[in-house]
Amino acid sequence: DAKTTQPPSMDCAEGRAANLPCNHSTISGNEYVYWYRQIHSQGPQYIIHGLKNNETNEMASLIITEDRKSSTLILPHATLRDTAVYYCIVRGEIQGAQKLVFGQGTRLTINP
Amino acid sequence: DSGVTQTPKHLITATGQRVTLRCSPRSGDLSVYWYQQSLDQGLQFLIQYYNGEERAKGNILERFSAQQFPDLHSELNLSSLELGDSALYFCASSAGVFRIGTEKQFFGPGTRLTVL
Repeated sequence: DAKTTQPPSMDCAEGRAANLPCNHSTISGNEYVYWYRQIHSQGPQYIIHGLKNNETNEMASLIITEDRKSSTLILPHATLRDTAVYYCIVRGEIQGAQKLVFGQGTRLTINP
Repeated sequence: DSGVTQTPKHLITATGQRVTLRCSPRSGDLSVYWYQQSLDQGLQFLIQYYNGEERAKGNILERFSAQQFPDLHSELNLSSLELGDSALYFCASSAGVFRIGTEKQFFGPGTRLTVL
């Protein structure tokens, strides 16, 4: 699975868009980009994933560059409850073994 | 609420002891994963079961073992406990249908293990 690089921490004002970058320059053609988050010590929560097209769901948007070497998770209107550690994970389809490899993530703090 | 349940929430025990952590996956999910989160190591994959069979192993110590039962619940057994085993242990489940790009894992609330 490709390695990812994320800034260790970010701040964002409540109500503004939070843009979390992720570099994955060694990503291969069949690998997907996943985002999970962990609020305090709760279990990680799936946010969104994509292959090469931009994706949007009720939680966030995922923008993947054309060369797929980086991506950005966008929380359009951040709230205090979005304060969490956000993990960008790249992985492909491996039959029978779909473990998630978590890096250090980005600690996002939403300020009032 | 992810639909994944874990018991107990907290566990305090002494070094050398043995404990069992239990996980019930979301209804219909066939795959169960165990992860360990400690302060110095972050979130690490331990082991995966699919429909009762072991499918993948990660950084799981020989003192640790797991199994998945016919009703699909899973147990993680930790023995000869050491201080360094103190951590949060998460269970996750997924549908396990292995379609490319569709596997999302849903995590339980975790069991906090403290070894004194």
